[in-house]
Order: sequence, then C-alpha cells, then structure tokens
Amino acid sequence: AQSVSQHNHHVILSEAASLELGCNYSYGGTVNLFWYVQYPGQHLQLLLKYFSGDPLVKGIKGFEAEFIKSKFSFNLRKPSVQWSDTAEYFCAVRRGSGNTPLVFGKGTRLSVIA
Amino acid sequence: NAGVTQTPKFQVLKTGQSMTLQCAQDMNHNSMYWYRQDPGMGLRLIYYSASEGTTDKGEVPNGYNVSRLNKREFSLRLESAAPSQTSVYFCASSERDRAADTQYFGPGTRLTVL
Repeated sequence: AQSVSQHNHHVILSEAASLELGCNYSYGGTVNLFWYVQYPGQHLQLLLKYFSGDPLVKGIKGFEAEFIKSKFSFNLRKPSVQWSDTAEYFCAVRRGSGNTPLVFGKGTRLSVIA
Repeated sequence: NAGVTQTPKFQVLKTGQSMTLQCAQDMNHNSMYWYRQDPGMGLRLIYYSASEGTTDKGEVPNGYNVSRLNKREFSLRLESAAPSQTSVYFCASSERDRAADTQYFGPGTRLTVL
C-alpha cells in the first residue's frame, strides 16, 4: 500500500530560522505531490504542488519544495520562518493520473517562537 | 464565492444516534470528497464522488454513507454513531478527479460521540 512519511511530528524554531520538513513516499511510479498547511482553527490550504516539470516548486508565503525522484522525497523548505508560520503541515501524494486516492502524511506541527 | 462550506461546525451525539453532515461547493467542481482527521493520523479518505451520480469508497468507509445530491452538494451520513467516529470531518472538492488537481477543503465539522 502506498504510504507517506513525515519524519518530524513537532518542530520548534525561533523566528528567522530556516525550515526543512521531510516527506517521503513509497510509490515508485508517476506521482503528484502536495503540501497543505492548516493554521490553528482553520481548514487546509494548498501551499504548493508538483505534477511535472521543474522539480523545484515555489509556493505561497515563501515556501518551496524539491522533488527528488531517486530519493522518493518532497521536502518543504523556507529560508526564514515567521511567527505566523505556526501551523500543521501535511504532505500528500497521489499516484498515477486519477482514480487513486490522495494519501496524506500524519502531519508535522511547526511552532515558531519569538 | 464561498468555496467549500460545511454544516454544522460542531456536533455532539450519543452512541447510536444518527446525523448527516452537509457539504456544498460553489466552484462548479465535478469531484467531491469526505475525509476524517484524527490526531497523529493525518487525513483519511472516507468516500468520494468523482462526478455527479457516482460515489466510491475510500480508505475508511465503514459506518458511513454518502449522497451526491447534485453537482454542488455531497452529504455524509452516520446511521448509528460510535465513539470511534469522534473526529474532525473535512469535505473537499476538485475540478475533476485527476491526480494533479488541487483539492479545496471546507472548514470542517468537529464531531464528538459520547
């Protein structure tokens, strides 16, 4: 079965620190990759996604992610976090071209302290 | 343009009671989804509707039924609620059920079953 692994359950950073959240998936074929963010008390919002082309994807709010096919990874990065980035981050993978479920990782909670 | 809306926002049920969670989208999307979110588990797909008139089971369909009432609305019914169904339920929609399509999420319904 396809699975998505997010290695860090809870990450605590100071403002201006750099962020990297890991995401690995188990499926070897064509994949579409997503990062969603859930701010406290809010619904999930798309940060960025990859489905083809340049493996370095830029999203909203200064986030980016790199698809490394050989490592089955899609790590999320931000060079300098802000307090407002405190949220839960979910990696999600959908394989193939359709008729397959979007599979979510368990999420990483990011706390940014002043 | 409200996006995806869900009602109610909160609900408390007793074991054995039934209820229907409502979801509507105004983006003219063809595909709609129901997920549940549990602590440390990420989001798991309950049911989805790739297009009006079709519904399919997801990863965790037991104890639930769905109805795609029309293109806009997709409801989730718990016939006999159990404590294990205590969760936050999210509805989502996408233009089509293609793997690269972004899913847009509603604000969620927090359900407690006593």
